[in-house]
Amino acid sequence: RKEVEQDPGPFNVPEGATVAFNCTYSNSASQSFFWYRQDCRKEPKLLMSVYSSGNEDGRFTAQLNRASQYISLLIRDSKLSDSATYLCVVIPGAGSYQLTFGKGTKLSVIP
Amino acid sequence: DAGVIQSPRHEVTEMGQEVTLRCKPISGHDYLFWYRQTMMRGLELLIYFNNNVPIDDSGMPEDRFSAKMPNASFSTLKIQPSEPRDSAVYFCASSPGQVTNYGYTFGSGTRLTVV
Repeated sequence: RKEVEQDPGPFNVPEGATVAFNCTYSNSASQSFFWYRQDCRKEPKLLMSVYSSGNEDGRFTAQLNRASQYISLLIRDSKLSDSATYLCVVIPGAGSYQLTFGKGTKLSVIP
Repeated sequence: DAGVIQSPRHEVTEMGQEVTLRCKPISGHDYLFWYRQTMMRGLELLIYFNNNVPIDDSGMPEDRFSAKMPNASFSTLKIQPSEPRDSAVYFCASSPGQVTNYGYTFGSGTRLTVV
């Protein structure tokens, strides 16, 4: 089983739609979780951290379910500018600084 | 803050040639990481340094790959000899330390093509 697994998509959604991405991780000792965004031919950039209690940043909501080893990202009111690949990222364990990346889910927001 | 700076942005080389990729981390960041990204395998960690010391190089694919960090502001990733399967985007990233909330900052990457 891969350490971090994501549905590769692509997800093609109309502007204004709500879309959700899911991610599972294999190491139950994982401590820190993030969502990164990567635009075509660009570097990954931190979108948001994921906290145990769930957290929201504008139109973006991230949730963590430790029991199921599952992370989600919800995007409300999708904009054309949200089109990108979304990478689920996990730090495997305490004291480890190695971000482990999923292969990403591609989102295309259509006019 | 200029961010993480990588050079060159693009590199095309012939099989068997030596390739050197360069990275300047953000000033004050104690950790430096080299990643490789391909369509098939996604982002893979190759090696990382803490305070210029290599900590984990288990991701380095073969002896053809080597990395150095002679000082806090400079690191290199060298491939010698290069092979077509080394074609990928190589990213350097840095972080200030405990990355519980802030993740890494990536450079713009070097797109390597070995023909």
